[in-house]
Amino acid sequence: EPEVTQTPSHQVTQMGQEVILRCVPISNHLYFYWYRQILGQKVEFLVSFYNNEISEKSEIFDDQFSVERPDGSNFTLKIRSTKLEDSAMYFCASSVQRLNQPQHFGDGTRLSIL
Amino acid sequence: DQQVKQNSPSLSVQEGRISILNCDYTNSMFDYFLWYKKYPAEGPTFLISISSIKDKNEDGRFTVFLNKSAKHLSLHIVPSQPGDSAVYFCAASGAGTASKLTFGTGTRLQVTL
Repeated sequence: EPEVTQTPSHQVTQMGQEVILRCVPISNHLYFYWYRQILGQKVEFLVSFYNNEISEKSEIFDDQFSVERPDGSNFTLKIRSTKLEDSAMYFCASSVQRLNQPQHFGDGTRLSIL
Repeated sequence: DQQVKQNSPSLSVQEGRISILNCDYTNSMFDYFLWYKKYPAEGPTFLISISSIKDKNEDGRFTVFLNKSAKHLSLHIVPSQPGDSAVYFCAASGAGTASKLTFGTGTRLQVTL
């Protein structure tokens, strides 16, 4: 069964450094998403992406965050200058359509900011 | 943000019995609801969904019920199996932001032998 893959599984970064999290969505999916889950908290929406542009973003997704689809397969989340509070599990998801279709998630990247 | 709530943090059920997981929501604009299962160190796995035009959807051992007037949905697992032990999240979308999923806090289900 096709799946969303994320790399790396664990990323340790010094505060203030840039980090790029990578995702390969399911191949025939057109909508892409990033979520995060801080330890002990809910899974929170960050951003959705379609047709090479952001279609929706949350208040968490400030100017320090950016997303890109640099080629036909990868979907990346960049955090420009990491803060301690960015430590979380980051999940990538994709779906065939935007409305009334399930989003399928990868296994996440654990980001630890020191 | 308490738009989707799962009030039971944990549930223990014997193998073979029915597991019932509950979820409440406050935003009447939600029109699509999903259940995900999550094992440790893995991402959420989609289980079953329901659109607000229905009140029941069934897929094998899993049935989701939606009560729009009560803003309540439930997931029934029959019969429960040890492999069902995981954290279950309900999620909702709609409310004018159709691509965004709003998650509950999760219920940890343990199926005992």
